[in-house]
Amino acid sequence: KAGVTQTPRYLIKTRGQQVTLSCSPISGHRSVSWYQQTPGQGLQFLFEYFSETQRNKGNFPGRFSGRQFSNSRSEMNVSTLELGDSALYLCASSLGRAGADTQYFGPGTRLTVL
Amino acid sequence: AQSVTQLGSHVSVSEGALVLLRCNYSSSVPPYLFWYVQYPNQGLQLLLKYTSAATLVKGINGFEAEFKKSETSFHLTKPSAHMSDAAEYFCAVSSASGSARQLTFGSGTQLTVLP
Repeated sequence: KAGVTQTPRYLIKTRGQQVTLSCSPISGHRSVSWYQQTPGQGLQFLFEYFSETQRNKGNFPGRFSGRQFSNSRSEMNVSTLELGDSALYLCASSLGRAGADTQYFGPGTRLTVL
Repeated sequence: AQSVTQLGSHVSVSEGALVLLRCNYSSSVPPYLFWYVQYPNQGLQLLLKYTSAATLVKGINGFEAEFKKSETSFHLTKPSAHMSDAAEYFCAVSSASGSARQLTFGSGTQLTVLP
């Protein structure tokens, strides 16, 4: 079974631009979560989508948004980029059950904001 | 609220020596606990998870972890380190209720294996 895929793997943008990242979950997984990883803040939860609905959201500004399509693929958008948005963005998919539901991570998209 | 503390941001061991990576958690409800490993320029790979079925959990690549409720700990161990174990390790917690699919991660421990 193919793993979680994320595109693109690397991205360079300038301040003020917007960016869209894509995530394709493992076949059969209905939940997609997004995390931001930075050296200073570590791994932080952005949001989770299940059946095209945002089910949970972390403490990030409204510039960060996402959506999920009927085939469970998800996109994440960041508008008006800031230097501090430079990070590794990780997508994780799971069956969407509560508690011990295992999240499987993709390789990430490395975003650099200049 | 949940939180995870990983003691020691950097741990060095010799090849063949015991690996011990420490993780303490805080959770107001019964937790589910996970250990993930991250190799350079890669995503996170699940090593093992605790789901209350057994306190001693065996994972991949010879790793295991023991859940100790009285100590609120979930330390990761491996009897004999291999060069390929060099990576960053993350402990994470989710709860058995509420926003259970949200993982809260520790700050990570970078493991170096010396020849």
